[in-house]
Amino acid sequence: GDSVTQMEGPVTLSEEAFLTINCTYTATGYPSLFWYVQYPGEGLQLLLKATKADDKGSNKGFEATYRKETTSFHLEKGSVQVSDSAVYFCALRNSGNTPLVFGKGTRLSVIA
Amino acid sequence: DTAVSQTPKYLVTQMGNDKSIKCEQNLGHDTMYWYKQDSKKFLKIMFSYNNKELIINETVPNRFSPKSPDKAHLNLHINSLELGDSAVYFCASSQDWRWGYTFGSGTRLTVV
Repeated sequence: GDSVTQMEGPVTLSEEAFLTINCTYTATGYPSLFWYVQYPGEGLQLLLKATKADDKGSNKGFEATYRKETTSFHLEKGSVQVSDSAVYFCALRNSGNTPLVFGKGTRLSVIA
Repeated sequence: DTAVSQTPKYLVTQMGNDKSIKCEQNLGHDTMYWYKQDSKKFLKIMFSYNNKELIINETVPNRFSPKSPDKAHLNLHINSLELGDSAVYFCASSQDWRWGYTFGSGTRLTVV
């Protein structure tokens, strides 16, 4: 079945450092890909998405490019802030009524 | 206006009790979901309803019973609660498979 693998955390960075969280997927067909963020004590919020190959999703300084040749959707940000500390989930969804499939999440801590 | 709302936000109860969690969405979405998030933040699909019809029923104990009185509501009833049911339960809704989900803020269930 479909699956998502993302890098194990936790990831600890200093403020203004560059962030990369790796995500690769296994799926049939052409899924849509997503990054969700979960701040402490809150629900999941959609951060960005891409619905076809070579699409770049971006939001709040984060971006990720749908790479079909490497089945990847890595999350990047050029300069992280303390307020970016959260758990980040990579996810995919195939067509029809298939559910969103999540990676295991990567906890990011940004220190001042 | 809250898009997907769950009640209660916190639920502490004793083993063996029966409890319900309610979920409502005002987005006009056709499909609603229940996910369970364990202590390691792993998210697993439990159920999915499309226009009041059950379309996904993962390997969840039959003590868990979803009910969808209309397409805006999806409630979760749990019988004979066990310690292992302690988790955060998220409700979500979606309209189109390409656009991901909108999540509620979660219900933290603690069984003592």
